[in-house]
Amino acid sequence: EADIYQTPRYLVIGTGKKITLECSQTMGHDKMYWYQQDPGMELHLIHYSYGVNSTEKGDLSSESTVSRIRTEHFPLTLESARPSHTSQYLCASWGAYYGYTFGSGTRLTVV
Amino acid sequence: AQSVTQPDIHITVSEGASLELRCNYSYGATPYLFWYVQSPGQGLQLLLKYFSGDTLVQGIKGFEAEFKRSQSSFNLRKPSVHWSDAAEYFCAVAVRNNAGNMLTFGGGTRLMVKP
Repeated sequence: EADIYQTPRYLVIGTGKKITLECSQTMGHDKMYWYQQDPGMELHLIHYSYGVNSTEKGDLSSESTVSRIRTEHFPLTLESARPSHTSQYLCASWGAYYGYTFGSGTRLTVV
Repeated sequence: AQSVTQPDIHITVSEGASLELRCNYSYGATPYLFWYVQSPGQGLQLLLKYFSGDTLVQGIKGFEAEFKRSQSSFNLRKPSVHWSDAAEYFCAVAVRNNAGNMLTFGGGTRLMVKP
């Protein structure tokens, strides 16, 4: 069964550290996305990609960066984590049949 | 740009009662429509989707939704709620033929189930 995987599920890290949130999908989807979900539940698009070597910023400004070197992999990086980055980060991909498929999310806490 | 409204932030129903969660969208054409469920600390699970065709869509866990073009609505229903249905529910739309097919979410509805 096709799926999308995010690691780690939970991460607590100190201010100033560099972190990378991993996202991989096995469906061969070209389109992938990162959403940030704040404690009030709302989800906001922060990055997306149409395919390899394509990355774009989403609706919500974010200090994170992404890369897309391989179709199946879409990692998100924070060069210097701050408490304001504390949130849940959800990765997704788009396919013609299922539409959007989401990963289980990474809950990030910066202390 | 498209927008999605879920008017009910919280809903409480008794176990066994019927449920309807409302969703309205604003967009010039018919978008792709989705309902997702999120349990605490979890990701988003797709309940059902509408792309085209029959406007009454059946999903997992006994949920269904009806697309009403005239009302720009895509309300989620379940005839008999179970305690395990307590979760957050999100309606979402994706614009057709947009190169990014970007999803816009409603603000979510928190469902609580009374025994």
